[in-house]
Amino acid sequence: QQPVQSPQAVILREGEDAVINCSSSKALYSVHWYRQKHGEAPVFLMILLKGGEQKGHEKISASFNEKKQQSSLYLTASQLSYSGTYFCGTAAGNMLTFGGGTRLMVKP
Amino acid sequence: DGGITQSPKYLFRKEGQNVTLSCEQNLNHDAMYWYRQDPGQGLRLIYYSQIVNDFQKGDIAEGYSVSREKKESFPLTVTSAQKNPTAFYLCASSISHSGTGKYYPLHFGNGTRLTVT
Repeated sequence: QQPVQSPQAVILREGEDAVINCSSSKALYSVHWYRQKHGEAPVFLMILLKGGEQKGHEKISASFNEKKQQSSLYLTASQLSYSGTYFCGTAAGNMLTFGGGTRLMVKP
Repeated sequence: DGGITQSPKYLFRKEGQNVTLSCEQNLNHDAMYWYRQDPGQGLRLIYYSQIVNDFQKGDIAEGYSVSREKKESFPLTVTSAQKNPTAFYLCASSISHSGTGKYYPLHFGNGTRLTVT
């Protein structure tokens, strides 16, 4: 079952913060976060593991709530380069299922 | 430099024809994946393979077939049975989770945009 992401889209001014949420109906063991620029391949941001948090970027962090089966991605002091579509993926063994994506646009 | 190569970047076919999309990696990864992406949509898993000569269906395998004869290669065939094949196809690879208990990031190719008319 595909994880659900919210919001579907968000527009920010440079320097503002944003939170993207990812929830699953299944038990989570790990959550992946990726960013995709238009027309390009998704790029890995970070993996969060059950019982821990793994930070991949300096101003982008994430949390993982196992009980609520949710993960949130926090973008602090957003930069223009943060624009793109963010996907969460939930892993079961080697099978990674992605959410529908959150489109983020950062304006000057 | 190590990476994943998908070819061609753009592919056009007539309805009713089978078409094979190429995916090659030199990252020495055991696991490989095929995802489909429709405009404004997320990534949906078609097939994945954890080891040579073995592969599993993903969420939308109907109308597709794959093979994994070599570790480096995981071609995807879009058959005439696929009712709506026009989409952006992404291939990815990763270190296999099996036997390690750890999770590893996916490395994606640049994709093949298939248009069927």
